[in-house]
Amino acid sequence: ETGVTQTPRHLVMGMTNKKSLKCEQHLGHNAMYWYKQSAKKPLELMFVYSLEERVENNSVPSRFSPECPNSSHLFLHLHTLQPEDSALYLCASSQRNSGNTIYFGEGSWLTVV
Amino acid sequence: GIQVEQSPPDLILQEGANSTLRCNFSDSVNNLQWFHQNPWGQLINLFYIPSGTKQNGRLSATTVATERYSLLYISSSQTTDSGVYFCAVGQAGTALIFGKGTTLSVSS
Repeated sequence: ETGVTQTPRHLVMGMTNKKSLKCEQHLGHNAMYWYKQSAKKPLELMFVYSLEERVENNSVPSRFSPECPNSSHLFLHLHTLQPEDSALYLCASSQRNSGNTIYFGEGSWLTVV
Repeated sequence: GIQVEQSPPDLILQEGANSTLRCNFSDSVNNLQWFHQNPWGQLINLFYIPSGTKQNGRLSATTVATERYSLLYISSSQTTDSGVYFCAVGQAGTALIFGKGTTLSVSS
């Protein structure tokens, strides 16, 4: 238990579906992150939210839409995904700018069919 | 951006053996972390070590910031040590950049 909880753990969706991934952190951190891990590739940073404002967006396609309603919750809304978007999506949190460690959730395994 | 290189990419060990994993990075950093990813995908924090040496049981890590590398030592390896070990680095106010990882397989 790292203090970062992701749901669902597994998701299978069709290319025309709309679904959301949810992340919640109980660590009192002020920054939250979405990373994508595809097979045979390093973790790729997708989005960073600091104090509920998006501060980084690494050229992620618009079919991925993040939402951070407060400092404890982060969503990743998914729509019209492609099979190549199948991956492990990892949420993390940290106390930004203080050098503290980043803590990851258990991840959401996404399969697009 | 910062480049992170990990070596070796793959490592196969017999139970009880020792190993050293290396992480090189291309610029000065003020955040460096080592993680272990288990077969279920969970990333477990091992060390926060932007400089110096730390030890936790059979694991220890050393970062020489001036020479831009970090080493993770695993002693008396066990089958439960199997998985992927990632090094990640960052600068002030930036998110962590991950290396490609070292895949460790420990057999009994």
